[in-house]
Amino acid sequence: RKEVEQDPGPFNVPEGATVAFNCTYSNSASQSFFWYRQDCRKEPKLLMSVYSSGNEDGRFTAQLNRASQYISLLIRDSKLSDSATYLCVVNIRGTGRRALTFGSGTRLQVQP
Amino acid sequence: EPEVTQTPSHQVTQMGQEVILRCVPISNHLYFYWYRQILGQKVEFLVSFYNNEISEKSEIFDDQFSVERPDGSNFTLKIRSTKLEDSAMYFCASTTTGVNYGYTFGSGTRLTVV
Repeated sequence: RKEVEQDPGPFNVPEGATVAFNCTYSNSASQSFFWYRQDCRKEPKLLMSVYSSGNEDGRFTAQLNRASQYISLLIRDSKLSDSATYLCVVNIRGTGRRALTFGSGTRLQVQP
Repeated sequence: EPEVTQTPSHQVTQMGQEVILRCVPISNHLYFYWYRQILGQKVEFLVSFYNNEISEKSEIFDDQFSVERPDGSNFTLKIRSTKLEDSAMYFCASTTTGVNYGYTFGSGTRLTVV
């Protein structure tokens, strides 16, 4: 089983749509969770951290379900500029580990 | 906004040659990392570096790879004898003391081994 699993997409949605991405992780020792955004051939950029209580940043809402080992990202009112690959990322803490484990990403294409 | 700087942006090298990829992390960051991304694949961890030594490495980071922080600002990744399968985008990253805030990645070096 992959450590971090995502639906690769692509998700093709019209401008203004709401779209949700899901992610599951296999290691229950995972402690920190993030969504990164990656544009084609560019570096990953932190979109938001994901907290146990859920958190929101403008049009973006992230949720974490530790019992199900499941993370989600909701994007409301999609913009053309949201077109990118969204990476689910976890950190497995313990013995000083700071390495991040990345999912393969979910591609979003917002269409006019 | 502070940024992580990587040079060169693109490097082409012949198989068997040594390459050095360079990074300047954010100045007050303490942890430094190298990741790679083969075209069309996921981002993979290579190595982390703290207090002038490797703190963690993956199985990808074998004896062909080494890292250095030679002068307190640069952070380098050396590949001793490149193979075709080393062709990838290499990303440097840095963080402060905790990972909870995520990383800042550099814009990457595209390494092409021919």
